[in-house]
Amino acid sequence: DAGITQSPRYKITETGRQVTLMCHQTWSHSYMFWYRQDLGHGLRLIYYSAAADITDKGEVPDGYVVSRSKTENFPLTLESATRSQTSVYFCASQREYEQFFGPGTRLTVL
Amino acid sequence: DQQVKQNSPSLSVQEGRISILNCDYTNSMFDYFLWYKKYPAEGPTFLISISSIKDKNEDGRFTVFLNKSAKHLSLHIVPSQPGDSAVYFCAAGGFTGGGNKLTFGTGTQLKVEL
Repeated sequence: DAGITQSPRYKITETGRQVTLMCHQTWSHSYMFWYRQDLGHGLRLIYYSAAADITDKGEVPDGYVVSRSKTENFPLTLESATRSQTSVYFCASQREYEQFFGPGTRLTVL
Repeated sequence: DQQVKQNSPSLSVQEGRISILNCDYTNSMFDYFLWYKKYPAEGPTFLISISSIKDKNEDGRFTVFLNKSAKHLSLHIVPSQPGDSAVYFCAAGGFTGGGNKLTFGTGTQLKVEL
């Protein structure tokens, strides 16, 4: 099916563990984004990518790492998870000025 | 520094009446503005947009108004329906100096009551 998918949908991990959230899009859009949604903060940009092998920091990049070896995939890694990274994470791709979002990953860090 | 602000965290409206959601921005370089709708456990979905060269854009029950001098935009939903109950995010972007990034507001939870 065409679209943007995220996995896992739910994840519980412990402080200090490494976690990778996956994002896959089937449209071949150049731009992809990672956001986190927290109450009172709306959607905040973590990292974005203009194309394969081109990534840049967003508003809240600390504690996160991204890579983009293929156009369709944009994984987000928490190298050493902290409780403050408990959140809902959304991946998005963009066509012209419109962004298309995945269903989200709810991450809980204990 | 919040460049896009939605000052009302929640709004309650009766079915059939008008819903008005507001959004303010501070960066005069924004070229376009979008509204997204989000249901629980789903990703945001695009609703309607407006370019900075326009002051109104209409799509069915949804109309977005842009007042550039006041740096203010609003989303009107007429008539409101129970299925419109969701969180609405205002977003702003520009192709000048910011790549293709969007800046989102904090969202307004709309509840349409029967």
